[in-house]
Amino acid sequence: DTAVSQTPKYLVTQMGNDKSIKCEQNLGHDTMYWYKQDSKKFLKIMFSYNNKELIINETVPNRFSPKSPDKAHLNLHINSLELGDSAVYFCASSPRTSGGNEQFFGPGTRLTVL
Amino acid sequence: DAKTTQPPSMDCAEGRAANLPCNHSTISGNEYVYWYRQIHSQGPQYIIHGLKNNETNEMASLIITEDRKSSTLILPHATLRDTAVYYCIVRVAVGNAGNMLTFGGGTRLMVKP
Repeated sequence: DTAVSQTPKYLVTQMGNDKSIKCEQNLGHDTMYWYKQDSKKFLKIMFSYNNKELIINETVPNRFSPKSPDKAHLNLHINSLELGDSAVYFCASSPRTSGGNEQFFGPGTRLTVL
Repeated sequence: DAKTTQPPSMDCAEGRAANLPCNHSTISGNEYVYWYRQIHSQGPQYIIHGLKNNETNEMASLIITEDRKSSTLILPHATLRDTAVYYCIVRVAVGNAGNMLTFGGGTRLMVKP
């Protein structure tokens, strides 16, 4: 009964490929997020979705696109992968009542681009 | 958002209290202090937050100075499983969700036997 789950846990792929990372939360939260943690361990927000509407979009390349089929899912699609995309990607969710500050994170997906 | 400053690393003996400081001298009146931690290879975990009063929950206590320019996270009886990077974040708790959390470098706490 994991609260926020991500698949896959590890993803190894070649430059130029297109890949997706899936995220699901069973907490009934209204908002979901994607973060990127690079090799220097800095954690940076990429996107957030509230009620299927993108409300934050950091300056990430448009090769990255979040897609939310329903309130419980926020998938991350990445086109034309580059070496610099190698990182750990974390999904998170938050309830409306917390104002987005109390976020629950998934276990992460380690993406390696060769 | 107000900038936060934390020591890069700290050690603590198992069973003793771990006191993690955070400076946020430019904090504004409507900004909360939030603490998260990240255990190795896991996603960040929410710990506690506060505005101006001291707060306590099952995980930790948060002591905020009267002028709100600094705070201390206290783990009363640190265990080896508390070894992690601890992040202090200052952020307005807005009515709409989708608030962007900005994580700095944090403090790497090492609990030693």
